[in-house]
Formats: sequence, structure tokens, C-alpha cells
Amino acid sequence: DQQVKQNSPSLSVQEGRISILNCDYTNSMFDYFLWYKKYPAEGPTFLISISSIKDKNEDGRFTVFLNKSAKHLSLHIVPSQPGDSAVYFCAATNAGKSTFGDGTTLTVKP
Amino acid sequence: SQTIHQWPATLVQPVGSPLSLECTVEGTSNPNLYWYRQAAGRGLQLLFYSIGIDQISSEVPQNLSASRPQDRQFILSSKKLLLSDSGFYLCAWVTGTGLNGYTFGSGTRLTVV
Repeated sequence: DQQVKQNSPSLSVQEGRISILNCDYTNSMFDYFLWYKKYPAEGPTFLISISSIKDKNEDGRFTVFLNKSAKHLSLHIVPSQPGDSAVYFCAATNAGKSTFGDGTTLTVKP
Repeated sequence: SQTIHQWPATLVQPVGSPLSLECTVEGTSNPNLYWYRQAAGRGLQLLFYSIGIDQISSEVPQNLSASRPQDRQFILSSKKLLLSDSGFYLCAWVTGTGLNGYTFGSGTRLTVV
């Protein structure tokens, strides 16, 4: 039973446009949600997080939205840049342990 | 500054051989430490986590074990590797609240042949 799902394996957007990455979860006990960015053969890098008591958190070009009733979160990147091309993982944390989705490969075309 | 060291970067081992991957953290005290594995095209699967010296929790029954002999050292081991142990192994640490993302090491690509 996969508790965190990223249903889109890939996403392609034009430079300057908005990238929207989605994530669904099933466990209502998760208390924090995070997004990571990963390049090949490297460890993931933390991008942004949100507490379960919030519905939005913004950091520069990155905004995370949380819809608890729908058990859904999304990451918006505006404007998208070619350097944003990477695999993005969402993660949900309960009791200090994070469960990761399978990732979405974002390609930003110049 | 806070850093995490993980080695080796790549490893090719025969089936049945032992394994030892080491991870050390600098610049922080009493971190939570984690071992994750990423299979090809998949997400990160939590293998072990530790909240303190000699305090290890196993998340997935498997051929692997973990130890934390010092506060900032985390070791992943196996007595006899299986083909299914191949993957990308990542060590991570975190302190503070769940809003703080993990800091991951650079990973070890293990191929069991």
C-alpha cells in the first residue's frame, strides 16, 4: 500500500511558464509534507516544506499548497527555469519518518 | 558547517559477499539518522532509522542490518548480499522539527553481480 503517490512520472514545460507537480497521500496522520529535488547519481536536496496545519507555504519561486480534505499537495514553480529540470519527490512525515513518492521528472525547455 | 559523508560512491559486489556502507555527519549533535534505498525508477524506501546511539529501528524485513556505534556514525551492513540488494543507498540526517528537510549524502550505487 503506497501511502504517498505521484501519479505523473514526467512533466514538460516551457521556460518562464508555471510548473505544477502533484502528490496524493492516504495517511491522515502525516504531520509534515516536503518536496525534494534530485539530480542523477546525487542525493535529494530539500526544497520546501509545509505543516499539516497550514495550506500554503511560499519560498521564492516555489510554493507548496496543501489540501487536507483531498489529501493532496502540489508544488508550483514560477517562473520555471531550465535549471529546474530534475526529479522531484514529495514526502510526508509522521513520527520523524518520511515516506516518499516515486518522483516526477520535470523537464523545462528553453 | 554541517556536512554528511557517505562512501563509497560505487560498489560492485558478488552475491554472497558481505557489505559495509558508512555514513558520518559533521557539525551537528544527536541527529536522527536514516538509511534509504532507491530502486531504479522508484521512490526512496526507508530501511532503518536511528534516534540515538545503538537505537535502531528496522522498517523493512530484509537481508540488511544497521548500527550506530557513535552519535554521528551510521553503518549499513549485510553478511551475505543478494541480487535484490542492488540499488542506490542514501544516508540522511535531520534535527529539529519535521519542517526541516533531511540532508542526504551523495549516495552509494551498489550492484550485486
